[in-house]
Amino acid sequence: NAGVTQTPKFQVLKTGQSMTLQCAQDMNHEYMSWYRQDPGMGLRLIHYSVGAGITDQGEVPNGYNVSRSTTEDFPLRLLSAAPSQTSVYFCASSYDGYSWEQYFGPGTRLTVT
Amino acid sequence: GENVEQHPSTLSVQEGDSAVIKCTYSDSASNYFPWYKQELGKRPQLIIDIRSNVGEKKDQRIAVTLNKTAKHFSLHITETQPEDSAVYFCAAIVYNNNDMRFGAGTRLTVKP
Repeated sequence: NAGVTQTPKFQVLKTGQSMTLQCAQDMNHEYMSWYRQDPGMGLRLIHYSVGAGITDQGEVPNGYNVSRSTTEDFPLRLLSAAPSQTSVYFCASSYDGYSWEQYFGPGTRLTVT
Repeated sequence: GENVEQHPSTLSVQEGDSAVIKCTYSDSASNYFPWYKQELGKRPQLIIDIRSNVGEKKDQRIAVTLNKTAKHFSLHITETQPEDSAVYFCAAIVYNNNDMRFGAGTRLTVKP
């Protein structure tokens, strides 16, 4: 199993550009989530999904969109990048809402200039 | 929503000493408390977790304790080794809420 994969690993955007961060998992996990990690602030939940076709907002959803058309994929879209979105983004998945061990992807380091 | 505070933000110990990291949470309905370890440039990985029906859990040199009345939980690492150096995050969640909140992290340095 590849586990949780993310692409790209690094990305530089200009203010106002849009892009999609890709996330995929091959563990047949129902729950998937996106976090951003900023220095001194831990991991903050952006959006999550409890299954294909179902998504919901987390703690910091503004400026981001998600969709879940398949169990495996959970892309994160930045609509109009801002310097405040410079961060490291982690995708994670877990089997269901009870077991709760989250498996994280390797992360995407995004810089918005 | 849930608010998780974690202390200290940095911790330096000598190899072989014990390390303790503490977290408090605000939502008394929270019932799952994981701890993640993140080495420099790597992804977070679960090292231990505890559910609200248990007061303590051990796994070799690592233990977690939970005080539901006071709404705090702690990570204990005994006989620390240089490879324990990393950032440790606590988290809390209400089962079926799906919104996991993390503490800000503790950078642990184990000096040889």
